[in-house]
Parts: sequence; C-alpha cells; structure tokens
Amino acid sequence: GQQLNQSPQSMFIQEGEDVSMNCTSSSIFNTWLWYKQDPGEGPVLLIALYKAGELTSNGRLTAQFGITRKDSFLNISASIPSDVGIYFCAGPTGGGNKLTFGTGTQLKVEL
Amino acid sequence: DSGVTQTPKHLITATGQRVTLRCSPRSGDLSVYWYQQSLDQGLQFLIQYYNGEERAKGNILERFSAQQFPDLHSELNLSSLELGDSALYFCASSVGPRGLTYTGELFFGEGSRLTVL
Repeated sequence: GQQLNQSPQSMFIQEGEDVSMNCTSSSIFNTWLWYKQDPGEGPVLLIALYKAGELTSNGRLTAQFGITRKDSFLNISASIPSDVGIYFCAGPTGGGNKLTFGTGTQLKVEL
Repeated sequence: DSGVTQTPKHLITATGQRVTLRCSPRSGDLSVYWYQQSLDQGLQFLIQYYNGEERAKGNILERFSAQQFPDLHSELNLSSLELGDSALYFCASSVGPRGLTYTGELFFGEGSRLTVL
C-alpha cells in the first residue's frame, strides 16, 4: 500500500528554535494534512493543503504542498514547550475513503 | 474536545479473551474510522463505515470485526486476543467519505488503550 515517510523520526530542540520536518510519498496526493498528537490524546488536525504549491499558515505553523504532489513540509517557528508531541502527515487513499498516516516525527523541546 | 467518545479508556485482559470497544461519533458525522496505534507501527487504518455500511478495509485481522449501528455509534470487536494486540485503538469520525463537504479531516477520540497479558 501507499507509504508516507516522515523525517526526521525525532528531534530534540531548544525552546525558541524553528523546526522543519517533511513527508514524502512514492505516490501523488491531491490533499495533504498535518496532524499533531499530544501525549495520551488522539491526533488533531493542524493544517490542510489542497493544491500543489500551496503554502498555508496556522499561527506559528506553516505547511507547504510540494509541487510534485509527492511531498509536504511543516515548519514551526519559535518553538515552545507545548509543541511537544508527534506530528503526522496524512493523505486520503483508497479512493478517498480512508486516511493514510505517515510514520510520524516526535518533537521534544528543551527548556 | 473533538466530540468523539470512546469507551473504555483502558482495558486489561488476558490472551484468548474477547473485548468490545465502543465509539460514538461527533453529532452529524456519518463516517466512522478505526485505527490501531502500537509503538512500532504508527497509526494503522483498520476499517471504515459510512452510515451503517462498510466502505473501506485496511489491515484488519480476521479475529477483529466491527459494525456501525443505526444510531451511528460503532463497535470494534477483538477476539482470541494475543499479546501483540496490545495497542491504542482510535476511533475517528467525519461528515462523509466524499462529496462537497469532504475535506479529509478526521476527528479523533482519545483512544482505548488495550493491554493483553
């Protein structure tokens, strides 16, 4: 099946630093979604992208839909302790009837 | 609060046993999805129902089954449990799988943590 690979797998950063992560696929996607999972919680949607080349922001978060439609990027500016969690990219597959999730990037913030 | 309710939150059982996990979707959502999250596997799609009918199936084991009832709540049944079934099981809901209102956004519950001893 389709696989979404995220990198880095995990990262340890200092509070205040900017963060970049990406998601790649061997297949083309028409929609890219970025979710965040806090410890002990279910994933929550952060940003949705619907068009190749699209750049969308949500507060300190900015995501881009890659031109090839096979990748997406998420940037977090000026990280804070509550940014800790696992970030997942996701895209509709199976004719749009299900959401396939990436392997996740775990973010840890040092105070 | 996503509006999706899952019960129980935690469950400890023994190998060979059978358990049922329950999910109530957000008000108005017709689609329910089940995902399994174990430490080394990420979020794995199991199955999707739309308005009572099965719409998509993922890597769901034959020992597992699910259904969506007329009131739209869903149950995931796990039988002949093995140690490897220990995981977080998430339910998510959305308005529907396709159409003008479909954005790909799923709303997740807090999950049911299953421990098989």
